[in-house]
Amino acid sequence: GAGVSQSPSNKVTEKGKDVELRCDPISGHTALYWYRQSLGQGLEFLIYFQGNSAPDKSGLPSDRFSAERTGGSVSTLTIQRTQQEDSAVYLCASSFMQGAYEQYFGPGTRLTVT
Amino acid sequence: TQLLEQSPQFLSIQEGENLTVYCNSSSVFSSLQWYRQEPGEGPVLLVTVVTGGEVKKLKRLTFQFGDARKDSSLHITAAQTGDTGLYLCAGVYGTASKLTFGTGTRLQVTL
Repeated sequence: GAGVSQSPSNKVTEKGKDVELRCDPISGHTALYWYRQSLGQGLEFLIYFQGNSAPDKSGLPSDRFSAERTGGSVSTLTIQRTQQEDSAVYLCASSFMQGAYEQYFGPGTRLTVT
Repeated sequence: TQLLEQSPQFLSIQEGENLTVYCNSSSVFSSLQWYRQEPGEGPVLLVTVVTGGEVKKLKRLTFQFGDARKDSSLHITAAQTGDTGLYLCAGVYGTASKLTFGTGTRLQVTL
C-alpha cells in the first residue's frame, strides 16, 4: 500500500495512564523499528522487529515500555504508567529487509503527558 | 556507546547561499545515511553512502563520505526556501541492524 501509517497522530494523556501507539508498516516490509524523538533532539532507537526473530529491545528506556508485532505486520508500542518525561514524538519505520538500509518512516505520534 | 555529532546545530541563511553540514563519529561506520525531516512528518531518506571517499550528488545536494568512514558532509548549493528542514545523519556500526542518529542540523532558508 502507501507509506507507513501511525495512529493516533496526537495523544494527550494524564500522568500514570497507559497508552498504546500503533504502526502499520509498508506491505511486504519485514523489518520494523520504533524511535523516539524529543524536542530538539535526534532520534533515539527503541526496539526493532525482524520477521519471526526475537526483537532487539536494547533501546527501551524502562520496563514500562513494551512492543509487539502481530502477524509480522502491525506493531503496537505500549507505555505503562506514563511519566512527563515520556512526552515525545514516537516514530515508526519499516524496511524491506534486515539491516538498517533505506528505512521508511511514518509521520509519528506526538505524545503529551500532563 | 557511539556518538554521532552534527554541526552546526542551527543554520539560518538567505536563498542562494551555499552551506555545508558535518557529521562526525569516533567510530567507523559500515554505512551512513542522510535524512531530511519537515515539521509534523517523519524523516525522509536522501542518500546512503557505503564506500570510503564516496561522493553522491542529488540535484543541488552533494554528499561525501570520509575516506576513513568516520565522517560525512552534506553540501547544498544555492539554497532554496524549500530546503528548510531538519537534516539528520544516521550511521550503521558494524553489523548492527539499527541506525544511530545524529542530533540534527536545523536549516532555515529565507528569501
